[in-house]
Amino acid sequence: DAKTTQPNSMESNEEEPVHLPCNHSTISGTDYIHWYRQLPSQGPEYVIHGLTSNVNNRMASLAIAEDRKSSTLILHRATLRDAAVYYCILSPTTGGNTPLVFGKGTRLSVIA
Amino acid sequence: NAGVTQTPKFRILKIGQSMTLQCAQDMNHNYMYWYRQDPGMGLKLIYYSVGAGITDKGEVPNGYNVSRSTTEDFPLRLELAAPSQTSVYFCASRQGLAENEQFFGPGTRLTVL
Repeated sequence: DAKTTQPNSMESNEEEPVHLPCNHSTISGTDYIHWYRQLPSQGPEYVIHGLTSNVNNRMASLAIAEDRKSSTLILHRATLRDAAVYYCILSPTTGGNTPLVFGKGTRLSVIA
Repeated sequence: NAGVTQTPKFRILKIGQSMTLQCAQDMNHNYMYWYRQDPGMGLKLIYYSVGAGITDKGEVPNGYNVSRSTTEDFPLRLELAAPSQTSVYFCASRQGLAENEQFFGPGTRLTVL
């Protein structure tokens, strides 16, 4: 299974942009890149996903490297509510439905 | 849409007791999953199902059983509770394409004493 590597923790000031990196050097050409986050005492929630092109939605932006071996989740203005664990996950399209595998993610702290 | 619902929210069991964690979704998703999350750790997959009548083991299936008789429901059974099963359990569902998002329930916090 293709794996991802994320920093254990990051810190940001409130209202500053945050760039959360993820390395996935063994990604295959048809793997989607998904990001989820888990707020304290809640289940994970979907943030964004992409395949090759950069993606934007109301929550965040996803920047995907040209070789697809890394990606960056961008929160444009961090708020206290964005303090959570962020998971970068690969979702393969081949081999049937492979369940999403959650690593330890990056714990983001937001300082007021 | 209620999304993914789980009951109970909290439960305390004695060693050796049995219980069923309930999970239901109203989005007509064919794929459903059970994960557990120990303190400070990521989620580990227990069992999953790709449709009614079909289930498969995940990374940590020992001590658990599942069934999927309908599209909507995916209960998780603990037969002989052990302290090692103290954890938060999350149920999730997804429509079966790699680009689709996965929806999670609020979790069941289980303590085995």
